[in-house]
This record gives sequence, structure tokens and C-alpha cells, in this order.
Amino acid sequence: SQTIHQWPATLVQPVGSPLSLECTVEGTSNPNLYWYRQAAGRGLQLLFYSIGIDQISSEVPQNLSASRPQDRQFILSSKKLLLSDSGFYLCAWRQGRTYEQYFGPGTRLTVT
Amino acid sequence: QKEVEQNSGPLSVPEGAIASLNCTYSDRVSQSFFWYRQYSGKSPELIMSIYSNGDKEDGRFTAQLNKASQYVSLLIRDSQPSDSATYLCAVNPLSGGYQKVTFGTGTKLQVIP
Repeated sequence: SQTIHQWPATLVQPVGSPLSLECTVEGTSNPNLYWYRQAAGRGLQLLFYSIGIDQISSEVPQNLSASRPQDRQFILSSKKLLLSDSGFYLCAWRQGRTYEQYFGPGTRLTVT
Repeated sequence: QKEVEQNSGPLSVPEGAIASLNCTYSDRVSQSFFWYRQYSGKSPELIMSIYSNGDKEDGRFTAQLNKASQYVSLLIRDSQPSDSATYLCAVNPLSGGYQKVTFGTGTKLQVIP
């Protein structure tokens, strides 16, 4: 069965510091991978999605970037965090031509 | 107009009652529809997907789709306190291919013991 991991689970970072969040999927190959952000009381905002290694689409222009160095690894980064970057960051995966997306446990980021 | 709209709630129902959650969408040619359950502080969990007009039942959950009215709903029978959560409606618009879905902001359900 497939499993998706995210770490860290929680993170408190000062404004202007860098960020690196990691997501890995087990039990599948060539998944589509997604990064979402959910701000407090808000809906899910798609940030990036990837259909393969080094193939990444950005949905929202901002100070975040994503990379996919391996088939089942997806990384979200920032060089300098803003207060508005606080939120619940969710990684999701989808297989092949199915439409269902499955979410990891998430990382709760607080920028102070 | 939002692509996917849901009443934010909270929707309060007594234990054992039927909870009815509704969602409308703007893209008339949307093909796929999903319901996720999200407990407070947790990530969303897929509970139902529906692709064709009509009803789809899975245990106590029934998803209903009416493409002509651009309306999808989720019924929860015999509601339990453990069903208390936020329910997110998600739609796969044709313009997104099969890569993307658009989420509503969710309806908070409270089941009162």
C-alpha cells in the first residue's frame, strides 16, 4: 500500500529565515505530487504540482519554490520567510490517470 | 463567483440524524467530484468520489451528483459525534486536465450527542 510522509510535523521560524519541507511517497512509482497551503480558516491553495522529476508547475507567484530531485520526493523551499507564509502545508499524491488525491499528515508552519 | 462554493456552517445535527452537506461548482464541464473529511488539526482524508449523475453509496455516506444543476451533495446517515469535522468538496475542472482539483472552503459539521 502507498504511504506519504511529511516532515517536520511542526515548525516555528523567524521572518527572513530559510525553509525546507520534505515529502516522500512509498509504495508507488511516478506519482503526481502536489504542495498545498491551508491558512487558518481558509481553503486549500495549490502552490505547486509535479508530473515527474524536475517537472514542476507553479500555481501562485510568491517567495516559495519546489523541487523534485527523486521520483518520490518533493521539497518545498523558501530563501526568506514572510509572516504571510504561516499555515498548514500539505503534500498530496495522485497515481496515473486517476483523479483522486491523497494527502500526507502536513507540516504546521508558524512564522514569527 | 468562486469555482467551488460551500456553506461554511457550522451545521449542527443531533446524533442519529441525517447530515446533508452541499456544494455548487461553476465549471459546467467538470468531470470528477470528491468529498474529503478534515478533523481539526489534521490533513484531509478522501471519503467519497463520484463521476456520474445520481447517487453513490458507501456505508453511511451517500454522494449525490446533479451535473445539470452543477450541484453535489454528501449525506451522512445515522450521524455520530465522530463525524464532527470539516467536509471539503473538491472538483476536477476540465481545464485542469486530470492533474488538478479545486477545493471549496469546507462546511463544518457538529454532531450533538
